[in-house]
Amino acid sequence: RKEVEQDPGPFNVPEGATVAFNCTYSNSASQSFFWYRQDCRKEPKLLMSVYSSGNEDGRFTAQLNRASQYISLLIRDSKLSDSATYLCVVNSDSGYALNFGKGTSLLVTP
Amino acid sequence: SQTIHQWPATLVQPVGSPLSLECTVEGTSNPNLYWYRQAAGRGLQLLFYSVGIGQISSEVPQNLSASRPQDRQFILSSKKLLLSDSGFYLCASAKETTEAFFGQGTRLTVV
Repeated sequence: RKEVEQDPGPFNVPEGATVAFNCTYSNSASQSFFWYRQDCRKEPKLLMSVYSSGNEDGRFTAQLNRASQYISLLIRDSKLSDSATYLCVVNSDSGYALNFGKGTSLLVTP
Repeated sequence: SQTIHQWPATLVQPVGSPLSLECTVEGTSNPNLYWYRQAAGRGLQLLFYSVGIGQISSEVPQNLSASRPQDRQFILSSKKLLLSDSGFYLCASAKETTEAFFGQGTRLTVV
């Protein structure tokens, strides 16, 4: 089983829609979780960290479910500019290596 | 915050030629450093990471190697490139298990 798994999508949604992505991880000892955004042919950039109690940043909400070993990202009121690939990131067994999921592609259409 | 310098941005190399990609970090000390590769339309694959000078962990066996001669310098090398080495190479830096900062990447095409 891969360490971090995501639904690759693509998710095609209209502007204003709410969309949710899930990500599962295999290492129950993982402590750090993040969502990154990657635009086409660019480097990934941090979107938000994921905290145990869940956290929100504007239209974005991240949640962690340790019992089921998954994290989620909810985007409300989607904008055209949200079109990108969203990467789930979890730290590895050693605690040092950050493992990325393959990403979920989102396309927001007018 | 950290700034990651990575060069060159684009590189075209013939099969069998050597490779050296360099990454330097500003704005932090003693970071964990990472080399990732992203093949076209694929996810990020962790190649190497380093927790200190001279300390390299390899995640995937291949014809690439990495070195960390200084605290904030990370080098990715190959003696002989293969066609399958083509991809988008990204250097990243993180303090322990906090967020990672990425360089702008090197797009390598092996021909």
